[in-house]
Amino acid sequence: DAGVIQSPRHEVTEMGQEVTLRCKPISGHDYLFWYRQTMMRGLELLIYFNNNVPIDDSGMPEDRFSAKMPNASFSTLKIQPSEPRDSAVYFCASSLTGDYGYTFGSGTRLTVV
Amino acid sequence: AQSVTQPDIHITVSEGASLELRCNYSYGATPYLFWYVQSPGQGLQLLLKYFSGDTLVQGIKGFEAEFKRSQSSFNLRKPSVHWSDAAEYFCAVGPFNTGGFKTIFGAGTRLFVKA
Repeated sequence: DAGVIQSPRHEVTEMGQEVTLRCKPISGHDYLFWYRQTMMRGLELLIYFNNNVPIDDSGMPEDRFSAKMPNASFSTLKIQPSEPRDSAVYFCASSLTGDYGYTFGSGTRLTVV
Repeated sequence: AQSVTQPDIHITVSEGASLELRCNYSYGATPYLFWYVQSPGQGLQLLLKYFSGDTLVQGIKGFEAEFKRSQSSFNLRKPSVHWSDAAEYFCAVGPFNTGGFKTIFGAGTRLFVKA
């Protein structure tokens, strides 16, 4: 298996622009998580899905952030409009019911200037 | 409230020496416990996990961890550290059921290995 695949690996954008991060989970995994990692706040759970349905989005910082999972093999995290404080590494992870251990992607490093 | 504490922000160990990274948790029931490792520029990789049974758990890369309920701890150990073990290590606890499950991660401990 190729693991959890995230794209792009790096994204530099100007403040106010829309940013879309993409994730392909491991085939057969039924949970998908989006995390954000910063030096100040560590790893923060933004949202997670079970069988493509959003279960808990309480970690989404504000309405500028949205996430979708149109099918079992694809998810997006969108920020519109982006702000410099959104600069962070965004990770996608997937898991299987009953396992609870996560497989993480390599992350997307987002820089908003 | 549920939480995970890693008391050491960073640790320096000589190559070949033993390693112990500390993790304490607060959880209302029997937790599921995890250790992950993150190398620079990479995502987190699962080292080992504890669900139940034997309190000493073996993981990948020669790591092990011991669950001690009386101390609310799940410390990670390795008998002999290699330079390639230099990375950041995260302890995590879960699941937290809100219609599914999620995991809370500690702040991490950065391991430096000196020659």
